[in-house]
Amino acid sequence: AQKVTQAQTEISVVEKEDVTLDCVYETRDTTYYLFWYKQPPSGELVFLIRRNSFDEQNEISGRYSWNFQKSTSSFNFTITASQVVDSAVYFCALSGNGGFKTIFGAGTRLFVKA
Amino acid sequence: EAEVAQSPRYKITEKSQAVAFWCDPISGHATLYWYRQILGQGPELLVQFQDESVVDDSQLPKDRFSAERLKGVDSTLKIQPAELGDSAMYLCASSLTVPGAGRPDTQYFGPGTRLTVL
Repeated sequence: AQKVTQAQTEISVVEKEDVTLDCVYETRDTTYYLFWYKQPPSGELVFLIRRNSFDEQNEISGRYSWNFQKSTSSFNFTITASQVVDSAVYFCALSGNGGFKTIFGAGTRLFVKA
Repeated sequence: EAEVAQSPRYKITEKSQAVAFWCDPISGHATLYWYRQILGQGPELLVQFQDESVVDDSQLPKDRFSAERLKGVDSTLKIQPAELGDSAMYLCASSLTVPGAGRPDTQYFGPGTRLTVL
């Protein structure tokens, strides 16, 4: 069975602080894909990144960076110099190679205070 | 930029009534998904279509929920009769994914329909 765990329910930071959102996954598939989505108060999930299981290279996109470690089954997301507009719920998701059903974690709600 | 359209954005209904939600995916996207998101939880897949065919509806409560995508484009999700526990956000997503293509493509989500059952 596949599972995604986001142990942090809520995180509160002050603007300009760095913050890391944790994601731990479980799967028996050898090929799988990991995603991060952002859900602002408007409700729409916004795609942030997709990684496949064969690519462990970390990725940076502006203030966002992702650390993928197969050895610990983790795919953590860091926001550098957080801004109020980063306030949202962030979801980590996993899709295996059997039909590509996507399993979402419970989400981490991030509050960035001015 | 192409978007997934959903309507209505909000729906309030009474228990035992019928409700229907509509989704228009991004043009050219073969795969369409309906998710249910209960407050404080992540989205859970209800049904997945490949063109007009159902690929996965294992989590769809078929005694009261139905979904169709007759021409392989837009889709309707229906609940009849609605129950109090159906109150949730219903999200539609689409992707270019074709099963057997070797990898899942990114899913793009609509704004959702927030259902309240009284």
